[in-house]
Amino acid sequence: KNEVEQSPQNLTAQEGEFITINCSYSVGISALHWLQQHPGGGIVSLFMLSSGKKKHGRLIATINIQEKHSSLHITASHPRDSAVYICAVRRGATNKLIFGTGTLLAVQP
Amino acid sequence: DAGVIQSPRHEVTEMGQEVTLRCKPISGHDYLFWYRQTMMRGLELLIYFNNNVPIDDSGMPEDRFSAKMPNASFSTLKIQPSEPRDSAVYFCASSFSSGGYNEQFFGPGTRLTVL
Repeated sequence: KNEVEQSPQNLTAQEGEFITINCSYSVGISALHWLQQHPGGGIVSLFMLSSGKKKHGRLIATINIQEKHSSLHITASHPRDSAVYICAVRRGATNKLIFGTGTLLAVQP
Repeated sequence: DAGVIQSPRHEVTEMGQEVTLRCKPISGHDYLFWYRQTMMRGLELLIYFNNNVPIDDSGMPEDRFSAKMPNASFSTLKIQPSEPRDSAVYFCASSFSSGGYNEQFFGPGTRLTVL
């Protein structure tokens, strides 16, 4: 079993829909990252969080440390949000990230 | 700042050849990471450096892989000899530790194809 699991693996949505991507992990962590990888391949860090909730524009990330679970929400989705979203966790006092397998999101106009 | 710079962007080589990938981190960043991404295994950390010193190389697949960071502005990942199963996209990332953990900034990646 992977230490970091994401769901769903694939997601197709209509423009304007509210989207949720989930990440569960089985190890103790010091921080959780959400990354975005566009079709061109570039990877961008969206959020880094260790508790609570963060918001940036239409993106919201939450984490529940007790339940070992994080969610990434996209409000008013747009075709330009189409990308692979990757969850990664940092264990303890190390800078090493363990990655989930990613969620491929396609937002159709 | 130009961001993390990697070269080459694409590399096609034949099995048995030596391959060298290069990375220039963002100026002032003290952490540098090398990752590999494949369809089968996703993103994996190969090695990371702090202040030019290798901290964790447990992800380096085997002795054919080596990484160096001779100074704060340059790192190399070398594969010798290369094999077809090394075909992947290799990313370099850097971050700055200001008394805690910070986000990592990724380079555009090097797509390696070993024939």
